[in-house]
Amino acid sequence: QVQLKESGPGLVQPSQTLSLTCTVSGLSLTSNSVSWIRQPPGKGLEWMGVIWSNGGTDYNSAIKSRLSISRDTSKSQVFLKMNSLQTEDTAMYFCAIYRNNYGRYWGQGVMVTVSS
Amino acid sequence: DIQMTQSPASLSASLGETVTIECRASEDIYNGLAWYQQKPGKSPQLLIYNANSLHTGVPSRFSGSGSGTDFTLSINGVELEDLSIYYCQQGNSLPHTFGAGTKLELK
Repeated sequence: QVQLKESGPGLVQPSQTLSLTCTVSGLSLTSNSVSWIRQPPGKGLEWMGVIWSNGGTDYNSAIKSRLSISRDTSKSQVFLKMNSLQTEDTAMYFCAIYRNNYGRYWGQGVMVTVSS
Repeated sequence: DIQMTQSPASLSASLGETVTIECRASEDIYNGLAWYQQKPGKSPQLLIYNANSLHTGVPSRFSGSGSGTDFTLSINGVELEDLSIYYCQQGNSLPHTFGAGTKLELK
């Protein structure tokens, strides 16, 4: 059974760095890609980026300068780091197994609030 | 970046009715389109991929069509459990982008 679980701090101060972890079970990251998608409260979905099964990455051009996605295949974990956070980065952050460029399996999400 | 325009933004339907949601891409994405369903407080769930392929376990009342720039999601016989928000997403060109969503409500 494929499961994904996001974890990280619920509250981040403005200008600080956000670090999130996506822990995957039921399949291998060496043969699966993982994408991060976020959703501000009451708004739509925003594709943030992806780490492909070969370890390569691609990012949303709007946040590319602030975003980094990496992984530890031995721990089946994918990491998101985004710096210079602002209030508009307040959102639910989801990770998803990405196959053929679509989110096949999703985590439950983790809510991140940017506030002082 | 490719812009995805969904219409309508909201839709009221009676149970058993057939409804259609549209998604238009700002440039040709061939058949690189997916549809997701999101219920309140839950993560999105894949319904349709490659424009018209039904994801495993999705009821057959859902169907997708279209290619190029114009796509459609149809629900043939709306059921209570279908009342959700629906999003399209293009997976043809990076960065992959979502539509703004369509909220399906009960009439």
